[in-house]
Amino acid sequence: NAGVTQTPKFQVLKTGQSMTLQCAQDMNHNSMYWYRQDPGMGLRLIYYSASEGTTDKGEVPDGYNVSRLKKQNFLLGLESAAPSQTSVYFCASSYRVGEKLLFGSGTQLSVL
Amino acid sequence: RKEVEQDPGPFNVPEGATVAFNCTYSNSASQSFFWYRQDCRKEPKLLMSVYSSGNEDGRFTAQLNRASQYISLLIRDSKLSDSATYLCVASANNTGGFKTIFGAGTRLFVKA
Repeated sequence: NAGVTQTPKFQVLKTGQSMTLQCAQDMNHNSMYWYRQDPGMGLRLIYYSASEGTTDKGEVPDGYNVSRLKKQNFLLGLESAAPSQTSVYFCASSYRVGEKLLFGSGTQLSVL
Repeated sequence: RKEVEQDPGPFNVPEGATVAFNCTYSNSASQSFFWYRQDCRKEPKLLMSVYSSGNEDGRFTAQLNRASQYISLLIRDSKLSDSATYLCVASANNTGGFKTIFGAGTRLFVKA
């Protein structure tokens, strides 16, 4: 099915561990995004990529890094996980920046 | 003050009722507006874009008031399946950069 695919769906890390969340879209969208969702906070933008090869910080980029080497993939890295990064992470894509978003099904991340 | 504010609810309404949600945004540079629907533990899904002239999609009507900086969503003839959280979104993409802000959501419960 066409859309946005995130892996993994669930992940438990220990403080200080690193990991990469993967996101792939087959919509031929130019722009991709990573959000985190915490109770009562709404979705907050971590990083986005307006087009292949470019990335920019969102509202809450600290502690994360991203990579957009291919148009269809957008990777979110946690170099040294902290309990404050426990959250649900959503990847999304759109044809252009600011347009309607198509979301992946999310990754539940717990950092102990 | 949050940049996009919504009444968290919950709104408890009987089937067939009409319910309205309002949302205010503080960034006057916002250009694009959306309503998303999010079911429990699922990803947000686009419900509808919001246009200045107002727009309707079946039982759903969205309105935008730029002067007062608020967005509304009206649901007529509520169905049990309308039970979800509704997210208001304001997006700006200008020389100051890209910024999209999600409200924390309004919960709706439709009861038989």
